[in-house]
Amino acid sequence: QKEVEQNSGPLSVPEGAIASLNCTYSDRGSQSFFWYRQYSGKSPELIMFIYSNGDKEDGRFTAQLNKASQYVSLLIRDSQPSDSATYLCAVNPYGNTGKLIFGQGTTLQVKP
Amino acid sequence: SAVISQKPSRDICQRGTSLTIQCQVDSQVTMMFWYRQQPGQSLTLIATANQGSEATYESGFVIDKFPISRPNLTFSTLTVSNMSPEDSSIYLCSVDERGGYTFGSGTRLTVV
Repeated sequence: QKEVEQNSGPLSVPEGAIASLNCTYSDRGSQSFFWYRQYSGKSPELIMFIYSNGDKEDGRFTAQLNKASQYVSLLIRDSQPSDSATYLCAVNPYGNTGKLIFGQGTTLQVKP
Repeated sequence: SAVISQKPSRDICQRGTSLTIQCQVDSQVTMMFWYRQQPGQSLTLIATANQGSEATYESGFVIDKFPISRPNLTFSTLTVSNMSPEDSSIYLCSVDERGGYTFGSGTRLTVV
């Protein structure tokens, strides 16, 4: 069974710090990886996706992918209280089919 | 980015009844996806809906319980049939948008 694992947290960081969120996946053939942010009572919002090994940066967010270790992470620089949310890691192990496997999510708390 | 509207946004239904959820996208898309998010849980794919063909259901989901229509490239419906309290969840539609997958605002269903 294809699985995506995340530490449920909560991960607590002070305002201005770097938050590091981690995700591992079981299917070595997975090709695309996604990070979503979900505020309580809201639908998931796509932060960014990554297909290739290495880093991908978008503003304060950096996604890091290591396919050999089956590991993907999200770094949030200069964390703000508004970043407090649940972060969902999703993996597409089926090629370009849109069938995403989601982790359980990590709750991030950014304290002023 | 694509605007995805879902109706209703929330509903409280009696057990044994059915509810049809609508998903409207402001652009034409090939595939639409229906997910379920049970309370405190992550997202699980129910089915993939292609225009002009039968929906493809994931393991554990069947057409009799979750019939799906896809009459055109901008619209889909998901029906939750013969509801029980275990169907209380958030139901979300999703589309592929330039490599990422965007979610609608969701339908929060409570079955009593």
